Amino acid sequence: NAGVTQTPKFRVLKTGQSMTLLCAQDMNHEYMYWYRQDPGMGLRLIHYSVGEGTTAKGEVPDGYNVSRLKKQNFLLGLESAAPSQTSVYFCASRALGNEQFFGPGTRLTVL
Amino acid sequence: SQQGEEDPQALSIQEGENATMNCSYKTSINNLQWYRQNSGRGLVHLILIRSNEREKHSGRLRVTLDTSKKSSSLLITASRAADTASYFCATVLGTASKLTFGTGTRLQVTL
Repeated sequence: NAGVTQTPKFRVLKTGQSMTLLCAQDMNHEYMYWYRQDPGMGLRLIHYSVGEGTTAKGEVPDGYNVSRLKKQNFLLGLESAAPSQTSVYFCASRALGNEQFFGPGTRLTVL
Repeated sequence: SQQGEEDPQALSIQEGENATMNCSYKTSINNLQWYRQNSGRGLVHLILIRSNEREKHSGRLRVTLDTSKKSSSLLITASRAADTASYFCATVLGTASKLTFGTGTRLQVTL
C-alpha cells in the first residue's frame, strides 16, 4: 500500500515548455486534488476531481489542465510553463472521513 | 477566498514545554483540520474538528474550535524535538471537501 505517489520528484523546465505531473493513489479514493505551495505560504488548490472522468477548477487554475481518466490517477498538465509556475506541487486524495492524504510533492523550477 | 491565518508565524520552545498555535478564518465552515509538514515533505493529517464540536483530543494534541469567533487553537503538550515542523490549519466548506489553508506556524522544539 503505497498511498499517494507523485512523479517526477524534481523537474526543471524552460519557459514555454510543457510537462505532465502524475499522481497515483492505491486507496480507492473518489476525490483527488492538486495544490501548489509557494515559499512561506499555505497550499492553494489548483484543480480537483470528485470521481473518475470529472474535474473542476480550484482557487488558482489558470495555466494548468487536469485529467482523471482512471480513478487511481490524476494528471496535472502545464501546456506552456511560465516562471510564475515555479513551485512545489502536491497531490492529495480524500478518504470518507474528510481527511486528505498527501503525496511527497514535486519541486518544479521554470527558468 | 476564505483563508485561515495562523498565529504566531513562528514559535520556538524547549522540549517538554507546551506549544499553542491559533488559527482564524473568515466564513462558516463544515469542519476545520490541522496538518503537519516536515521540511521538504508532504502534509500529514493530525486532527479534524467539526463545526458542532468545541474540543477534541488526540494523544498529545488538543484542538478547540470557537465558531462564534471563527477561530481554532492547536495545543501540543510535552513537546518533543520530533514535533519540529510547520503546522497548518485548513477549513472545509462544501460537498467536495476542498481545503483552504492558512499560512502556517513554524514550530522549532529545541533540546
